[in-house]
Amino acid sequence: EAGVTQFPSHSVIEKGQTVTLRCDPISGHDNLYWYRRVMGKEIKFLLHFVKESKQDESGMPNNRFLAERTGGTYSTLKVQPAELEDSGVYFCASSHYSGTGAAGYTFGSGTRLTVV
Amino acid sequence: AQSVAQPEDQVNVAEGNPLTVKCTYSVSGNPYLFWYVQYPNRGLQFLLKYITGDNLVKGSYGFEAEFNKSQTSFHLKKPSALVSDSALYFCAVALNTNAGKSTFGDGTTLTVKP
Repeated sequence: EAGVTQFPSHSVIEKGQTVTLRCDPISGHDNLYWYRRVMGKEIKFLLHFVKESKQDESGMPNNRFLAERTGGTYSTLKVQPAELEDSGVYFCASSHYSGTGAAGYTFGSGTRLTVV
Repeated sequence: AQSVAQPEDQVNVAEGNPLTVKCTYSVSGNPYLFWYVQYPNRGLQFLLKYITGDNLVKGSYGFEAEFNKSQTSFHLKKPSALVSDSALYFCAVALNTNAGKSTFGDGTTLTVKP
């Protein structure tokens, strides 16, 4: 099966601009998660979709970040306007189940965002 | 709140030697523990998990990890390292059944030299 696909793989934008990241989960996976790794530190949870609904968005840093999941398929994460501290690697993961019965979660390769 | 510590940014071992990548956690309740590996230009890959039961968990690529409740540790081990094991390793802990909302460590870069 195809894995989780994220694009772009890299994005360099200027402070104040808008960037939209996309994640295509594995087909049939209802659960979709966004994470980010900033400054080479720990990977932090951003939010969790179940189908098209936001199950948990407690990790979203502020209202400059907007995540959507149209029709419960692919998801987008928009940063508007981008700030320097938003630079990092944004990961997406999907799973069929949200519980720990899942054999882990399938992650995408990530989008490396650089705000200059 | 839950947290994970990976005290070593970098671990270097010679091929054929045993390797250990350390992880300690802090959580109020029963932890669900995971190890992931990230190879260059790839996404994170699941290695193994501890939910309950036997403290020694075996996972992919010959890796194993031992859950130690008294020391709140979940160190990743492999008896004989391969050069191809060189990668970035992340330990993660989840407090409840939504393992997707895991807290990750900073990651440890493992380098296995021939």
